[in-house]
This record gives sequence, structure tokens and C-alpha cells, in this order.
Amino acid sequence: DAKTTQPPSMDCAEGRAANLPCNHSTISGNEYVYWYRQIHSQGPQYIIHGLKNNETNEMASLIITEDRKSSTLILPHATLRDTAVYYCIVSGVGMRFGAGTRLTVKP
Amino acid sequence: EAGVAQSPRYKIIEKRQSVAFWCNPISGHATLYWYQQILGQGPKLLIQFQNNGVVDDSQLPKDRFSAERLKGVDSTLKIQPAKLEDSAVYLCASSLDYVEPQYFGPGTRLLVL
Repeated sequence: DAKTTQPPSMDCAEGRAANLPCNHSTISGNEYVYWYRQIHSQGPQYIIHGLKNNETNEMASLIITEDRKSSTLILPHATLRDTAVYYCIVSGVGMRFGAGTRLTVKP
Repeated sequence: EAGVAQSPRYKIIEKRQSVAFWCNPISGHATLYWYQQILGQGPKLLIQFQNNGVVDDSQLPKDRFSAERLKGVDSTLKIQPAKLEDSAVYLCASSLDYVEPQYFGPGTRLLVL
């Protein structure tokens, strides 16, 4: 499985867009990019995933670079409830979670 | 749609005792995962099932951990004997197939004394 690199922590002001980067330079052609988040004491929650095209759902947008070596998760209007650890994972078979990015949304 | 169910939610045991966790995945999900999450770390995949067959158990400590998924539905994860370092949250997840998003249960919090 490809390895991912994420910043350990980020802050964001409430109501502003949160842009969470992820590097996955060794991704192979058939591996998807997944994003999950984990709010304290809960199981991880699926957010969004993509292969090569940008994706959007009710929670977030996923922007994948043309060479697929990096991606950005965008929370368009962050709220205090978006404070969580965000995990970027690339996977064909099997999931390998890293340490993720701890996003803190501040009032 | 019902989510992934896990039981028990909490368990306290002494070292060298055995313990078992149960997981009921979302109906129709072929792939089932067990993860171990130690405080402050990301989840670590222990074992992945596709229906009732094992796809990946490379990170499962097989001398003390075992898992089964009879009939391709429910699954149990067992630890025997437990060590202090097994204290963690054990998460179960399921997906329609291995390339589909995973949906996680609430986890079982294990404390080994």
C-alpha cells in the first residue's frame, strides 16, 4: 500500500474553508484516495474517496492532482463539530492508517 | 440502515486472561476488518476478511490473537493470553467490497491490568 504524509496538526477559523493536504507520491494506478475522520472516542467516519477525478459530496470536496501524487480535502465552511483527526489513505487491498492531521476549528 | 455493531463496548481483564470481541457488519457487506487503535495512534489493521476468507492478516500477532468469520457474516476476535500492551480500542469495520468505503463500529475499549 502507498504511504501518505499529512501535517500533524492544523487550525481553522469557524466558517472558513479548511484545506487538508496529503502527499501520496508512490500511489499506483489502481489505488483510490480515501479520507476518514475520527472525532474523539468514536470510530472513524468515512468522508469521501476518489481515483483521479475531483469529487464532491455533502460533507466535503476532494481535489486530486493530475499526477495523483497529492490531494486536498476541503471542508467548505468548517464548524466546531469538524474538530477531529483526519486520515488520508490510499489503498487497493487493505487499509493502512497513518497518524492523520488533527484539525482544530476555532471560534 | 443499521450500522456496524460491536460488543462488548468496554472490557477490563487481568493479564494472561482471555477475551473475545464480537462484530456484526452491515448487511450485505462482503469485507470485514478488525483494527487495533492504541491511544494517540491511528488504527492498525489486524485482519481483513473477504466473505469468510482471510485476505490480509500480516499484522495480526498470531501467537495470541485469532479471528474468524463463520458463514461470512459475524466475526469474533480473540486474545489469549492478553498482555498489558493489548490495552486499546478494537474497531470493526465493513464494506461492500474491498475497494468500497469502510463503515466503522463504535469499538470495544479493552483495558488489561
